[in-house]
Amino acid sequence: GESVGLHLPTLSVQEGDNSIINCAYSNSASDYFIWYKQESGKGPQFIIDIRSNMDKRQGQRVTVLLNKTVKHLSLQIAATQPGDSAVYFCAENRPNTGNQFYFGTGTSLTVIP
Amino acid sequence: KAGVTQTPRYLIKTRGQQVTLSCSPISGHRSVSWYQQTPGQGLQFLFEYFSETQRNKGNFPGRFSGRQFSNSRSEMNVSTLELGDSALYLCASSLSVTYNEQFFGPGTRLTVL
Repeated sequence: GESVGLHLPTLSVQEGDNSIINCAYSNSASDYFIWYKQESGKGPQFIIDIRSNMDKRQGQRVTVLLNKTVKHLSLQIAATQPGDSAVYFCAENRPNTGNQFYFGTGTSLTVIP
Repeated sequence: KAGVTQTPRYLIKTRGQQVTLSCSPISGHRSVSWYQQTPGQGLQFLFEYFSETQRNKGNFPGRFSGRQFSNSRSEMNVSTLELGDSALYLCASSLSVTYNEQFFGPGTRLTVL
């Protein structure tokens, strides 16, 4: 049958603004999460991770927030730059599954100079 | 420290053929996972190897197989290729098997004609 592409949510922001990318994860048992950035033609690049015993973690220009009650993750990028334009994925890991991650569909971020 | 490397980067095969893809993890990493990325299905987990043993397997047919060598390098094989196997095949490495940052290689772009 015909292959239908995933509908990617899109987000456009002005350079210098803050970006917020959201992700709803599927399994309440998931206890470890990673945000990835994927640029065209490249593999996913690790940005930041968070374990379920935390609700916030900060990195360089990025912050991840975890709300286990509603199974929601967000990635905040401060002072967004053109180089931040990419597709962003959240990935969830469940207990006793080793490094098997379940990926969201991704969000395409475009930074307008 | 060198990142995850994958060879070849691009591959064109015809239906019915088989293919072997190679992955060298980051030095010291012992876990290697494989993912398939397509526009229709997104990123899907194939399998994970740790210390030469398959630890987890995703929902793919038996035509997809893999192995890991004593130096942690891994190969995956797809036999009897189908058109739907056209995808970006990504390898990811981790230090260990739990709550570990997972780093991806650039991928192998497989096209099946």
